[in-house]
Parts: sequence; C-alpha cells; structure tokens
Amino acid sequence: LAKTTQPISMDSYEGQEVNITCSHNNIATNDYITWYQQFPSQGPRFIIQGYKTKVTNEVASLFIPADRKSSTLSLPRVSLSDTAVYYCLVRRSGGYQKVTFGTGTKLQVIP
Amino acid sequence: KAGVTQTPRYLIKTRGQQVTLSCSPISGHRSVSWYQQTPGQGLQFLFEYFSETQRNKGNFPGRFSGRQFSNSRSEMNVSTLELGDSALYLCASSSGQGETQYFGPGTRLLVL
Repeated sequence: LAKTTQPISMDSYEGQEVNITCSHNNIATNDYITWYQQFPSQGPRFIIQGYKTKVTNEVASLFIPADRKSSTLSLPRVSLSDTAVYYCLVRRSGGYQKVTFGTGTKLQVIP
Repeated sequence: KAGVTQTPRYLIKTRGQQVTLSCSPISGHRSVSWYQQTPGQGLQFLFEYFSETQRNKGNFPGRFSGRQFSNSRSEMNVSTLELGDSALYLCASSSGQGETQYFGPGTRLLVL
C-alpha cells in the first residue's frame, strides 16, 4: 500500500479554514483515500473518503488532483474543538491488507 | 445504529499476566481489525478477522492472538504481559474486506 506523508503539526486560529495535505506518491488504481480525526485517548473517527476530484460532507472537503498523488483535507472555519490529530490513510478496495497509519498531523487551534 | 463497543475501557495488569479484550462490531459488519497505539510507535496494525478467520496479521509476537466468533464479535488476548504492552488497544469494524473501518473507543491497558 502507498506510504503517506503529512506535516507533523499545524497551528491555526479559530474561524480560519485549515488545509492539511497528504502525499501518497505510490497510490494504486483501486486505492481510496480516507481521513480520520483522533482526540487523545479516543479511537479515530472517520471524517471523509474519496477516490478522485472533490468530495464534501457536513464536516470537511477532500480535494484530490487528477494524478491522485496527494490529497488535501479542508476544514472550514475551525473551532477549538477541532484540535486533534488528523490521519490520512490509503486503503485498497477489496482484498485484505495491513492498514498502515502514518504519523498524522497534530492540528492546534488557537483562540 | 450503535457504534463499535470495546470492553473493558480500562485495565491494569502486572507483568507476566495475560489479558483478554473484547470488541463488538457495528451491527452487520463482518470484519474486525485490532490496532495498538503507543506514543512512541503510533497506530500499529495487529490483525484482521473476517468470517471467523484471521485474514491478515501485523508484525507482533505470538503473545498477541485473537479470534472472532460467529456473531462477528472479536476478542484479542495478550499473554505474558510486558511493560511495553501498555497501550491503547483499538478495534475497528467494517462491512467487508477493504471497506471503510469504524473505530471503537479503545481499551487502555496499563502493565505494571
């Protein structure tokens, strides 16, 4: 499975839009990109998933360029409660594989 | 629909003991995966079960084992506990192979 690379940490002020980019250069044709949010001592929470172009839900947007070698999670107007670690994950549709989480991006929202 | 549940939520054991953790997947989900999370190593894949069969295994010693029952509930067992086994153990379920995983709250294990 494609290895993912994300910034270790990011800071943002409340009310701003935050964009977290993930690199996955070796992504395969049947791989999907999934993002999770994790608060301390809790399980990761599914945020959004996509294959190509743009996906939007009530929480976030996911932008994936045509070559799919990277993806950007966009969080609109963040609040203090969005302070968490965000993981980008590449998973293959069908078949069993060892899911590998990267180091994640620790987002700190500042008042 | 109820989410993934894990029991117990917290556990304290001493070195050399063994421990069994339980996971109930989302209703209808047949795949259960287990992960270990520590500050130093991050989230690491332990194993995945589907239809009562282990389908994939991470790089953990044989002291870590698991099983899945016919109702898709899963247990993981760690024998001869070591201090380094102190971690948050997470269970995730999905509807099938390669599908999106949904995580439980985790079991915090402390080995003294």
